[in-house]
Amino acid sequence: GEQVEQLPSSLIVQEGASVLINCSYTDSASVYFPWYKQEPGKRLQFIIDIRSNMERKQTQRLTLLFDKKTKHLSLHITATQPGDSAIYFCSARDMGYKLTFGTGTSLLVDP
Amino acid sequence: EAGVTQSPRYAVLQEGQAVSFWCDPISGHDTLYWYQQPRDQGPQLLVYFRDEAVIDNSQLPSDRFSAVRPKGTNSTLKIQSAKQGDTATYLCASSRLGGPYEQYFGPGTRLTVL
Repeated sequence: GEQVEQLPSSLIVQEGASVLINCSYTDSASVYFPWYKQEPGKRLQFIIDIRSNMERKQTQRLTLLFDKKTKHLSLHITATQPGDSAIYFCSARDMGYKLTFGTGTSLLVDP
Repeated sequence: EAGVTQSPRYAVLQEGQAVSFWCDPISGHDTLYWYQQPRDQGPQLLVYFRDEAVIDNSQLPSDRFSAVRPKGTNSTLKIQSAKQGDTATYLCASSRLGGPYEQYFGPGTRLTVL
């Protein structure tokens, strides 16, 4: 089955810095890649997604890049704020709507 | 719109006891998912439904876990004879087949099996 890996597993940055979270998947049948954010004590929250026929998607301070050949994604967050502190999950979905989550990246933004 | 609701929020059991979790998805969402999220890991899909039909339950430990969605709306996940290894947060999510495709998650039920 699909396997999704994320690196790094944790990050600590100063407020205002940019961060890059890398994600790789194994199943070439995956077609849709949503990312979620999980703040302490709160529910998983959708933040951005990309389809396999796209290479890039941007929304506000988030940029998501997708490389179908290498089965790799990267999420770039600019101008980080303390409110960005959370665990970020990459995920991959197949045509049957089955979602496989990555291992998570814990981000801590120091004010 | 109201979000996905789950109850109870917490459960503490002794090994061998049974427990049920309840989920109310977002109105109009035809697809409902149950995930298990062990501490410090990503959610892992247990089962998902489209309307009342089970689409994939291949990751559900069928000897002790069961899930139903009889009217295609609310759903119940039940664990018979819980084990310490079942300690995790159980998440429910819902989505709409016709899009948008993202899943909306409930707050989860944190289960501790002693």
